[in-house]
Amino acid sequence: DAGVIQSPRHEVTEMGQEVTLRCKPISGHDYLFWYRQTMMRGLELLIYFNNNVPIDDSGMPEDRFSAKMPNASFSTLKIQPSEPRDSAVYFCASSSGRPLYEQYFGPGTRLTVT
Amino acid sequence: AQSVTQPDIHITVSEGASLELRCNYSYGATPYLFWYVQSPGQGLQLLLKYFSGDTLVQGIKGFEAEFKRSQSSFNLRKPSVHWSDAAEYFCAVVSNYKLTFGKGTLLTVNP
Repeated sequence: DAGVIQSPRHEVTEMGQEVTLRCKPISGHDYLFWYRQTMMRGLELLIYFNNNVPIDDSGMPEDRFSAKMPNASFSTLKIQPSEPRDSAVYFCASSSGRPLYEQYFGPGTRLTVT
Repeated sequence: AQSVTQPDIHITVSEGASLELRCNYSYGATPYLFWYVQSPGQGLQLLLKYFSGDTLVQGIKGFEAEFKRSQSSFNLRKPSVHWSDAAEYFCAVVSNYKLTFGKGTLLTVNP
């Protein structure tokens, strides 16, 4: 298996622009998680899905952030409009639920907003 | 709310020396605990996990961790460190299906 795939690996954009991060989970995994990693706050869970349905989005920082999972093999995290404080590494992870808590992480997308 | 504390931000050891990374958790019930490793520019890889049972758990790459309820700790150990172990290590606890991570410990290995 190819593991969790994220694209792009690096994204540089200007403040105010829309940014879309993409994730392909491991085939057969029912859970998908989006995390953000910064020096100040460490690793934070933003949102997670089960069977393509958002279950908990309490970690989404504000309305500028949105996430979708239109099917079992694809998810997006969108930031509109982007701000410099959104600069971070964004990770996607997936889990089969067996055991539920074992999550497999993608390589991450390093986002820089200038 | 659950939390994880990794008291050491940065640790340096010599290759071949033993290693212990500290992790303390705060959680009301029996915790499910994890150690992950992150190499530079990479995602997180699961090293080992504790759900229940034997308090000494073995993981990949020769790592082990011991759960001590009385001390609310889940320290990671390795008897002999290799240069390839240089990375950042994260302890995590699960609550309501969500992982809460510590801030991480950066491990530097000197030749």
